[in-house]
Amino acid sequence: GNSVTQMEGPVTLSEEAFLTINCTYTATGYPSLFWYVQYPGEGLQLLLKATKADDKGSNKGFEATYRKETTSFHLEKGSVQVSDSAVYFCALSAISNFGNEKLTFGTGTRLTIIP
Amino acid sequence: NAGVMQNPRHLVRRRGQEARLRCSPMKGHSHVYWYRQLPEEGLKFMVYLQKENIIDESGMPKERFSAEFPKEGPSILRIQQVVRGDSAAYFCASSPVSGGYYEQYFGPGTRLTVT
Repeated sequence: GNSVTQMEGPVTLSEEAFLTINCTYTATGYPSLFWYVQYPGEGLQLLLKATKADDKGSNKGFEATYRKETTSFHLEKGSVQVSDSAVYFCALSAISNFGNEKLTFGTGTRLTIIP
Repeated sequence: NAGVMQNPRHLVRRRGQEARLRCSPMKGHSHVYWYRQLPEEGLKFMVYLQKENIIDESGMPKERFSAEFPKEGPSILRIQQVVRGDSAAYFCASSPVSGGYYEQYFGPGTRLTVT
C-alpha cells in the first residue's frame, strides 16, 4: 500500500537558518504530493503541492520538488522565521475505487524556530 | 467564512462508554472526510461521506465505529464501547466536490482520551 516516511522531529533552528525536512514515499502509480502545516490550535492547512514528476511546489518561501527517481518530496526554506514554528506533514494522494481522493500522511515533524 | 469546525476539542471517556465527535464542514461543502492520528503515527483515512451517503469506509474499523452525515446538521463519528486503543486525534476535512483533487480543508481535530 501507499506510505509516507518523513524526517522525525522535533527540529529546532535559529531564525534565518536553512530548513530541510525530508520526505520519501512509496506508492503505486503516480500520486500527487503535498505538504501540510498545522499551527498550534488550528487545523491542517495546505502549504504546497506537486502533481507530477519534476514539478516544484512553492508557497510562503517554502519549496519542494517531486523527485520520481528518488521517490522524494523534501521541504526546504532558505531563511526561516519564528512564525514558521509549526508541525509539518508530508502527504500523498491516490484516487480510491470510489473516485474520491484519499490522503496518506507522514507522522509529522515539529519545527521550532528560536529568535 | 468560518472554517471546518470540530467539537469537542478534547474528550475524555472511560472504557466502555460512547464517544460522539462532531464536524461541521465549511459553508458550501458537501463532502466530508474523517482521519485518525494515533500517537506517533501519521493521519490515516477512515471514511468519506457525502450528504446522507457513506461513499468510502475502507479505513473504518469493522466494529464499534460508525459515521453519518445527515441532510441537516454536522457529520458525526461515533465510537461505541471505547477502548484505550481508541485514544487518538480525530480530524475532519471537507471539500466542495470530489472525483479528482480538490483541496481538503481540515478542522482543528478532537483529541480523545480513553481512561
